Amino acid sequence: EIVLTQSPGTLSLSPGERATLSCRASQSVRSSYLAWYQQKPGQGPRLLIYGASSRATGIPDRFSGSGSGTDFTLTISRLEPEDFAMYYCQQYGNSLTFGGGTKVEIK
Amino acid sequence: EVQLVESGGGLLKPGGSLRLSCAASGFTFSNAWMIWVRQTPGKGLEWVGRIKSKKDGETTDYAAPVKGRFTISRDDSKSTLYLQMNSLKTEDTAVYYCTKGHYTSGWLFDYWGQGTLVTVSS
Repeated sequence: EIVLTQSPGTLSLSPGERATLSCRASQSVRSSYLAWYQQKPGQGPRLLIYGASSRATGIPDRFSGSGSGTDFTLTISRLEPEDFAMYYCQQYGNSLTFGGGTKVEIK
Repeated sequence: EVQLVESGGGLLKPGGSLRLSCAASGFTFSNAWMIWVRQTPGKGLEWVGRIKSKKDGETTDYAAPVKGRFTISRDDSKSTLYLQMNSLKTEDTAVYYCTKGHYTSGWLFDYWGQGTLVTVSS
């Protein structure tokens, strides 16, 4: 099973700042089958990025994904108030597993 | 607008049974692969099982912890997904989400419901 480790656990930032979230895999993720989700309290997750770098339908372009192999990054270029939430990565190239999440909180 | 609305969660004792439902709208349900995912504070997000569309054979897959105890089914005439859970264990306590498979992969989830809480406790 591929283990995904997300860092940092918590990111404290102010609106307008840039957020950089990391997701590291225990082995190479096939064909960059890596996705990112956003989750707010009381809601199901929302798909942001798939295929490591493709934005899902309706996702603003301030969200971008990059990486390959074992190292992936989600970048939020300028944080909006609605972006403060939990973020999870998921690999779906070898069965599927989720990372433990990064909380982006208001500083 | 795609909507997935789960129902049927509750509190029950170990060994009990429960059936969850997921009412879908806003897309062609019969063409979609549907997946149940659960979430706990301790284990995080974990897939439970998947059912393919009828045209793809309506086959099912289950995660090891639930195989043999849980059954996924669908009623395309009602645009509804089901999860029958038997022989429930305390470790099945979780929020259960109904999700829709993305067109690029049945293991990628492009829409999620709001979840329904299942608590298994003596």
